[in-house]
Formats: sequence, structure tokens, C-alpha cells
Amino acid sequence: GAVVSQHPSWVICKSGTSVKIECRSLDFQATTMFWYRQFPKQSLMLMATSNEGSKATYEQGVEKDKFLINHASLTLSTLTVTSAHPEDSSFYICSARDQQAPSYNEQFFGPGTRLTVL
Amino acid sequence: DQQVKQNSPSLSVQEGRISILNCDYTNSMFDYFLWYKKYPAEGPTFLISISSIKDKNEDGRFTVFLNKSAKHLSLHIVPSQPGDSAVYFCAAYSGNQFYFGTGTSLTVIP
Repeated sequence: GAVVSQHPSWVICKSGTSVKIECRSLDFQATTMFWYRQFPKQSLMLMATSNEGSKATYEQGVEKDKFLINHASLTLSTLTVTSAHPEDSSFYICSARDQQAPSYNEQFFGPGTRLTVL
Repeated sequence: DQQVKQNSPSLSVQEGRISILNCDYTNSMFDYFLWYKKYPAEGPTFLISISSIKDKNEDGRFTVFLNKSAKHLSLHIVPSQPGDSAVYFCAAYSGNQFYFGTGTSLTVIP
């Protein structure tokens, strides 16, 4: 089956530093990747849609300059949280669509990255 | 504006019985619906999906029912197992956008 990995799985950083999270589709090509954020006991919140080779589309309320998304290849998208602050602490999840999958609407999720900003 | 709603935040079911998780939506343009299972501190795992042109899809112990007139879908798990205990999200798809419900926490009691 389609596998999506994320790295790192857990990161702790000091306030003011930048953190990069990688999302990889391991056995398929993903023209579209999605980045979500989940707060405790809340639903997944879509932050942005990332298309390979083009700029990401951010959801309303998501700061583009704070959450930098790069989708340079068909198997890799990165999310960089710039100048992280404690309120950025959350569980970040990426997903990818397998353009070759029979149900092309289906998206496969990574295991998530827990970010803790001290 | 929540376009996909899961009105039951939690559900407890005895092992071996049926678990029924419900989901309501407001947008009639959704053309695909999916159910995901999520354990704490992990990413969601795809469970089962259904196209808007169908009213039922079955995969092993999991069956999803779609009632378009009522804008309602449900996930049935039969028989329920302790390992099914997790948070279940329903999602709807339209125009390259996925909309998630707030999740239902299922506890299967041994």
C-alpha cells in the first residue's frame, strides 16, 4: 500500500528557532500533498495544499511567512515553522494523494510530527 | 462553518457488538466520502471510502452507508474489537479539498 513518512516524529525546540518537517511518499508519486495541524481533542485543520513545482495554497488564517511549504519533487514536501513560539506547539500531519491510485481522491497520511516549543 | 459534522464525540461499545459512527454534511457537491481511524500521537489511517454515486461500500468488518437525501453517512464495524478503539474521522471531498469532521472516539470494551 501507499506509505507516507514524516521526519522527525517528535521535535522540541527553543522559542525563536525554525523547525523543518519533511513529508515523503515512499512508494508512489504525489503531485499534491496536504499539511494539517491538530490540536488536542480537535479535528484536523487543513493548513495548506502543496502542489509539486508550484506555490502552496494556504487556508484562510494560516500565515504564509510563518509556515513555509516547499514541494520540490513528486515525493517530498517540507513544512518549515519559522521563528517558532510556544503557541505553535501542535501535532502536524501531512498527507499525499497517489495520482495513480484507482480512487484518486484518496489521500494517505503520514504518522505526524509532534512539535513542542519551549 | 463546519461542513462535515460528527455530533457524537464519543461512543462505547461492547466487544463483539456493532459500532455505528455517524457523520452529517451540508454540501451536496461532495462527491467522495472517506473514513479515517486515528490513534493518539499518530497520523490518521485510511479505512474505507464511498463515492457519491453509491449508497454502500463494504470491506471486511467495515461498511459505510451513504444517504444522500439526508446528507448522512455512517460507518458500521461488525463485530467490534478492542483494537478498534480509536478516534474515527469522516471526511468529504470536493474540488481538491478535504473536509474533516471533528471525530468520534470509539471505545470497545472487552
